[in-house]
Amino acid sequence: QKEVEQNSGPLSVPEGAIASLNCTYSDRGSQSFFWYRQYSGKSPELIMFIYSNGDKEDGRFTAQLNKASQYVSLLIRDSQPSDSATYLCAVILSGNTPLVFGKGTRLSVIA
Amino acid sequence: GAVVSQHPSWVICKSGTSVKIECRSLDFQATTMFWYRQFPKQSLMLMATSNEGSKATYEQGVEKDKFLINHASLTLSTLTVTSAHPEDSSFYICSARDFQLVDEQFFGPGTRLTVL
Repeated sequence: QKEVEQNSGPLSVPEGAIASLNCTYSDRGSQSFFWYRQYSGKSPELIMFIYSNGDKEDGRFTAQLNKASQYVSLLIRDSQPSDSATYLCAVILSGNTPLVFGKGTRLSVIA
Repeated sequence: GAVVSQHPSWVICKSGTSVKIECRSLDFQATTMFWYRQFPKQSLMLMATSNEGSKATYEQGVEKDKFLINHASLTLSTLTVTSAHPEDSSFYICSARDFQLVDEQFFGPGTRLTVL
């Protein structure tokens, strides 16, 4: 059973702070890891993907992957109220298999 | 690039009728498309995976005779909800993978279905 676990939140952070979102996955053979953002009533939009252990930075976002511990995280620096959304962690086992999504973490950035 | 469209964006229908939702990859070829359903305040649930030119693979618990999927070309997949009932009311989202970028998956804007 492939599982992706996330804390449902809500996670509340003040504007300008760092938001830290965590995700663990059960299948050690997972190859690719994704973070999506979903606003209420909208479909998910891709923020970042990461394949290798370590950190990957893109603007205010940093994805961190630790395959030995089977966790992936997303850091959002200088959080803005517009970052308030549900963040979905997703994992691909290999090849053409579908994304397996976590239930998402709701982030609220307080102005 | 990597735009996925869905039509219609919302639909209201009477119980017992059928509804067809189209998913198109506009600027890339998608050998594989995925259909998800999302109920309010819940995560996306994968319904089925469709590969161009072959039968869709349905997830456990999804009735293939009720949710008909056709993936006739590399840019178009359709989901038909047959004999819709109020419990089928949900947000249906398709997703497509670029033929050349196997891992990246792009989502359509979703279709809100309300069955009266």
